[in-house]
Amino acid sequence: AQSVTQPDIHITVSEGASLELRCNYSYGATPYLFWYVQSPGQGLQLLLKYFSGDTLVQGIKGFEAEFKRSQSSFNLRKPSVHWSDAAEYFCAVGARGSQGNLIFGKGTKLSVKP
Amino acid sequence: EADIYQTPRYLVIGTGKKITLECSQTMGHDKMYWYQQDPGMELHLIHYSYGVNSTEKGDLSSESTVSRIRTEHFPLTLESARPSHTSQYLCASGGGGAGFGGETQYFGPGTRLLVL
Repeated sequence: AQSVTQPDIHITVSEGASLELRCNYSYGATPYLFWYVQSPGQGLQLLLKYFSGDTLVQGIKGFEAEFKRSQSSFNLRKPSVHWSDAAEYFCAVGARGSQGNLIFGKGTKLSVKP
Repeated sequence: EADIYQTPRYLVIGTGKKITLECSQTMGHDKMYWYQQDPGMELHLIHYSYGVNSTEKGDLSSESTVSRIRTEHFPLTLESARPSHTSQYLCASGGGGAGFGGETQYFGPGTRLLVL
């Protein structure tokens, strides 16, 4: 069965600094991979997704993620963090051949220092 | 504009009451989902639907029930609310799939439920 691990529960970065949020998955084949962001009291917004092809995926708000099959990872990056990026970030994996159901990680809370 | 809506956004209710959480989408998606999310925790799938008259239970056991009579509408009902049902409930719809599986899920704003 597939699973998702986000090792960092809480990360604090300074505004303007670079960011990398880690995501590791467990799945026997190449999965579908997603990153979502959730602001307090809100639903989840899709940042980016990987289905196939280029392993470096560009998303909204200046985010990107890189799929590394050998490391079973799909880390999210941003070169310069803005205060408005403070939120909870969820990585999710979907199995190919599934009915579209996703498995979510426990999330990483991002705080941004001025 | 295509979107997904949830009402109410917040609900405080007493034990034993029957409640229905509404979810509607104008995205034309066949697939819809209900998740339960406790603070600081991951999302747990409690119900999903592949289309009209299709409903399935998710990975997390739930005392709630759902119905799918219309494509755009996927309400969740608790017949008798209890304090253990206090949580955030997120509705999503899925579309744009890359073949079998892989649909992107789009989320509503959520309903925060507090059962006293």
